[in-house]
Amino acid sequence: RKEVEQDPGPFNVPEGATVAFNCTYSNSASQSFFWYRQDCRKEPKLLMSVYSSGNEDGRFTAQLNRASQYISLLIRDSKLSDSATYLCVAPSRRTGRRALTFGSGTRLQVQP
Amino acid sequence: NAGVTQTPKFRILKIGQSMTLQCAQDMNHNYMYWYRQDPGMGLKLIYYSVGAGITDKGEVPNGYNVSRSTTEDFPLRLELAAPSQTSVYFCASSYSDRGKETQYFGPGTRLLVL
Repeated sequence: RKEVEQDPGPFNVPEGATVAFNCTYSNSASQSFFWYRQDCRKEPKLLMSVYSSGNEDGRFTAQLNRASQYISLLIRDSKLSDSATYLCVAPSRRTGRRALTFGSGTRLQVQP
Repeated sequence: NAGVTQTPKFRILKIGQSMTLQCAQDMNHNYMYWYRQDPGMGLKLIYYSVGAGITDKGEVPNGYNVSRSTTEDFPLRLELAAPSQTSVYFCASSYSDRGKETQYFGPGTRLLVL
């Protein structure tokens, strides 16, 4: 089983829609999780951290479900500029505490 | 701050050639990482370093070497380039703030091995 798994998409949604992505992780001992955003041919950039109590930043909400071992990202009122690939990130079990495992990403395309 | 910088931006190598991908950060971060990203895939960790003089293997270290003689620099060396090493290479650095860590990425180096 992969350490982090995501639906690759693409998710095609109209502007203004609400869209949600899930990501499952295998390391039950993981404490901290992240969502990164990656634009085409660019480097990943941190979107938000995922805390056990959930985390909200404007139109973006991240949730953690430890019992089912998944994290989610909800985007409300989608903008064209939200079109990107969203990478789910969890601590790596194989390579030590400092290393992170990145999912393959979920592609979002927001359409006018 | 320039953040994390990488050179070159793009390079074409012939099979068997060697090269060094440069990475530098000016944020005084202790932790630095090298990842590769193949088309349509996630990032795979090649090597990482928790401080000057300390390096450790990641998920896919074969065919690569690293060194960390200073806090700022973390070069990645390919000794005998192979077509399987065609990829985009990202360097990252991070700090820990009250147990929470954020990784900052450089713009990447695109490598084509023919």
